Amino acid sequence: ELVLTQSPDFQSVTPKEKVTITCRASQSIDSHLHWYQQKPDQSPKLLIKYASQSISGVPSRFSGSGSGTDFTLTINSLEAEDAATYYCHHSSVLFHTFGQGTRLEIK
Amino acid sequence: QVQLVQSGGEVKKPGASVKVSCKASGYPFTSYGLSWVRQAPGQGLQWMGWISAYTGNTNYAQKFQGRVTMTTDTSTSTAYMELRSLRSDDTAVYYCARGGAGGSSSCYFFWGQGTLVTVSS
Repeated sequence: ELVLTQSPDFQSVTPKEKVTITCRASQSIDSHLHWYQQKPDQSPKLLIKYASQSISGVPSRFSGSGSGTDFTLTINSLEAEDAATYYCHHSSVLFHTFGQGTRLEIK
Repeated sequence: QVQLVQSGGEVKKPGASVKVSCKASGYPFTSYGLSWVRQAPGQGLQWMGWISAYTGNTNYAQKFQGRVTMTTDTSTSTAYMELRSLRSDDTAVYYCARGGAGGSSSCYFFWGQGTLVTVSS
């Protein structure tokens, strides 16, 4: 069974910092990896699809990279509104799974 | 605009069943599949399964096989998720989510607002 492991689980950061969240897959998943942002009491929101493809309406400070087993979500120049939990997500024809989440706290 | 509007919260006793609805609008309902994802209090996201709104074909996560049924009603553009034999650890917010043109392997562009199901004696 495919497992996605995110790191770190929690990070406290200051505004304007650059943040990197990683997601490691237990087996190669090509580029079938997506990133979501979830704020408290809200539904998740798609940020990046297929590892590095941008989503209309998502600020350009969010970017993704990687393929195979190692993926990265980067947030450049963090803003206070970016306080949230971030999830990676693998989708295949038969099976989907999520990483455990990374909570970002803004100092 | 695309909207997924879910039914209201439910309180159920252990052993009971719950059926959550997800009414879609703003797009041709049968053109996209829908997934169901749940989130226990303070926990992460867990995929439950997917249904094609066009064919009704389903793909369930192994964890829920035999206990979940996903259906659609194309006349009302509504998807349903029924979970049986409820236990206290089924207490969670249940989301429906719509993919893109990639079928069952797509990411989720749109989400419902979530339905809290509480299982308690």
